[in-house]
Amino acid sequence: ETGVTQSPTHLIKTRGQQVTLRCSSQSGHNTVSWYQQALGQGPQFIFQYYREEENGRGNFPPRFSGLQFPNYSSELNVNALELDDSALYLCASSSSGTSGGARNTQYFGPGTRLTVL
Amino acid sequence: GENVEQHPSTLSVQEGDSAVIKCTYSDSASNYFPWYKQELGKRPQLIIDIRSNVGEKKDQRIAVTLNKTAKHFSLHITETQPEDSAVYFCAPRPPSGGFKTIFGAGTRLFVKA
Repeated sequence: ETGVTQSPTHLIKTRGQQVTLRCSSQSGHNTVSWYQQALGQGPQFIFQYYREEENGRGNFPPRFSGLQFPNYSSELNVNALELDDSALYLCASSSSGTSGGARNTQYFGPGTRLTVL
Repeated sequence: GENVEQHPSTLSVQEGDSAVIKCTYSDSASNYFPWYKQELGKRPQLIIDIRSNVGEKKDQRIAVTLNKTAKHFSLHITETQPEDSAVYFCAPRPPSGGFKTIFGAGTRLFVKA
């Protein structure tokens, strides 16, 4: 086990709804990255948070947003859900240097399986 | 941006044989090269990684080799066992300033008993 936890485990929503997913990072880690993993594909980078600020983003629309809290836990929010948002959402924590560069090992949480109907 | 390719996409071996998976990347600035194993319904788990100042690293039955000139690195699994059956991902990463991690599409390894 990595010490990274996510909640909820599973979630079912309908199109147009909004969802919030949560991630608690491993003790001592200050960086959280979020990934979307569709069935049969590799994880796709959504964004990364370091010291409560977004410092890197993948090719995802603005309806994907996030937060990082002073204790380094993080939330992923998705508005106006679409059917294609159905996926496993993974967070990964790591420790980064002063520039926030993610040079160190990432440890993944168990993921949240989101189904959009 | 980084372009990452893995080959093969599927690999089937007999128990006890060796398996090799290759990852090719485009960003010559990449300096961290991990391999993850993901079993069905579970999280990706780091199994081995290598940094650009090292050409090869071994951990029991698993090894990673790096060719920075050719921009590829490979995962080697010897004496494969049925529990090695999983999807394996590479995720090369550039140094500080390159925050985006691009995963390969994955290689599904089947080890037949």
